[in-house]
Amino acid sequence: NAGVTQTPKFQVLKTGQSMTLQCAQDMNHNSMYWYRQDPGMGLRLIYYSASEGTTDKGEVPNGYNVSRLNKREFSLRLESAAPSQTSVYFCASNGGGHDTEAFFGQGTRLTVV
Amino acid sequence: AQSVTQPDIHITVSEGASLELRCNYSYGATPYLFWYVQSPGQGLQLLLKYFSGDTLVQGIKGFEAEFKRSQSSFNLRKPSVHWSDAAEYFCAVGLAGGFKTIFGAGTRLFVKA
Repeated sequence: NAGVTQTPKFQVLKTGQSMTLQCAQDMNHNSMYWYRQDPGMGLRLIYYSASEGTTDKGEVPNGYNVSRLNKREFSLRLESAAPSQTSVYFCASNGGGHDTEAFFGQGTRLTVV
Repeated sequence: AQSVTQPDIHITVSEGASLELRCNYSYGATPYLFWYVQSPGQGLQLLLKYFSGDTLVQGIKGFEAEFKRSQSSFNLRKPSVHWSDAAEYFCAVGLAGGFKTIFGAGTRLFVKA
């Protein structure tokens, strides 16, 4: 039972490079989320997808784009990485809405130099 | 604006001692409240949640939390801490009518022998 799978687990980028973080869930969840975690700031929502075919901005969307490829997969793209995007990124999913438990992937530790 | 405050950045307790982690929220409506735990290098796992009803909720791993509307608090407790409880703990509020969950900055728990 895989749950939420993120790839890669670690990545180092040079400023200006692009990359895509992949996320897949096998729980048939409607909603998926991308968060970033920075020391002392908790988790901040970057983008979310309430259901297949929809995406919306969260608290800190600048510098990111997302694609809900199908019900299982939700990717996060950094078009031109900046040092300020150095962070740990988490993908999460749930059945939909604010009142259901979110299941998290193990995270991607991204360093931009 | 909605917010979640965890006043303690880190707490150290002795193994076998009791634990209380504080959480205060700011939200106009009845909140949906969660506590998550994050072990090193892992994603977040739900400990417990409160939606309505009994204000004392039981969770996994022997944790409980009490919702106090008058104090806008949702403190997490455990009567006897085990070394394996060392982790970071996040309080979160689900916002009604949407898909956004706000996380506190986290409290890191250290357990000493």
